[in-house]
Formats: sequence, C-alpha cells, structure tokens
Amino acid sequence: ETGVTQTPRHLVMGMTNKKSLKCEQHLGHNAMYWYKQSAKKPLELMFVYSLEERVENNSVPSRFSPECPNSSHLFLHLHTLQPEDSALYLCASSQARREADTEAFFGQGTRLTVV
Amino acid sequence: QQQVKQSPQSLIVQKGGIPIINCAYENTAFDYFPWYQQFPGKGPALLIAIRPDVSEKKEGRFTISFNKSAKQFSLHIMDSQPGDSATYFCAARKSNYGQNFVFGPGTRLSVLP
Repeated sequence: ETGVTQTPRHLVMGMTNKKSLKCEQHLGHNAMYWYKQSAKKPLELMFVYSLEERVENNSVPSRFSPECPNSSHLFLHLHTLQPEDSALYLCASSQARREADTEAFFGQGTRLTVV
Repeated sequence: QQQVKQSPQSLIVQKGGIPIINCAYENTAFDYFPWYQQFPGKGPALLIAIRPDVSEKKEGRFTISFNKSAKQFSLHIMDSQPGDSATYFCAARKSNYGQNFVFGPGTRLSVLP
C-alpha cells in the first residue's frame, strides 16, 4: 500500500450516468493529482491541486470535474462520458516543496469502462 | 518540448540479463528524473530517481545513468528476474511545487525464466 487509496477499483457506467471517483491520501501531502492512463499512451495529467490551488490540463473535456474539499481527499465527477473515456484513472499525491525531490505516490487506480 | 521520449516500447530478456531502457527529453528546465514501475492492476510505484548534478545513481540492482549534455537518461536492471516483469515509466519534472510530472509512454519488460 502506498498510502493513496482509490475507490471504486472498477466502474462500468453508461454514457448518460453520473458517477464520482474518490481518492484519499494518508501521507500528509499537500498536492494531489488525477492522471488518465490509456493503452499505449503516456500517463496524461488531468488535474493538479497543489497548496489548495487548482491547475488543469486544458485538453481535458468539461465532462470531467474535479473536487478537492481538503488536502487529503480528491474526487473526480463524471457525467455524460464517451466510450473513449474508458481508461485507468490514477490518483497521486506528493509534498510540494520548491527545493526538494517531491516524488509522486500513486493509488491503484479505478478501471473505468463506459458503455 | 514537454515530451519525454522512451524506448523501446517492449523488451524481452532472459533471467540474469541486463535490460536497458532509454529516455530523452528536450526541456532543460526539468531537474528531477524518476523511474516508476507498474505491475498489472497496480498504480505506478517509484523505483529510483536522479537529479542532473550526478551522472549515475544505483539502488540495489537498479541503476540510472544520466547524460545531461545529451539530455538522455537510462535505466539498467542488473541480474534481471522474472519478478521484474512490469511496465517501466521514466518521468521528468520541473522545480515548481511538485507539479508537471511528464511521463514517457512506458516500456513493457518481460524477463523469461
């Protein structure tokens, strides 16, 4: 266990559904991330919450909506997804400091299938 | 300029062999280069990392070689074992509050018994 827990592990949803992915970190970190991992593609950074500031990848569609109520919890709200959104969604956390090696700790991911 | 290139896409070696995975980057602002190991059904886990002020770092059977002038770095796995079979990702980051981890596309390594 890395200290980053994601639920659910697997999710199948229809294109008209609304669902949420949850991530919780127990490491005392101050930055949390959502990544998308598709087959044969690099990990794609979707959203970052660092020091309570949100940074997003402008290429992420608005059908993905993040929420970070505190430094330990991160959600990804999903609505009207498309089949091409099927992927492994990974949450990560790190300690954001300017002059330190801030490695990212990943959760086990949520395997999302959109039907 | 934000990309990290990684090769090969897949690699098969015999037990005891020394697989080598190579990565290259363009952005000279990157100053932290980790390698992640991912097993099926798991998230990536940090394996070893290096900063550009050293040319080599070794941890157990894993070694990173870093060539700052060529903007290349590589992972060597000594005495590889079947348990090392996984996907390996190189990554790069700029020193700005831990954001901007840019990952390579990954190398799927198979170590045959």
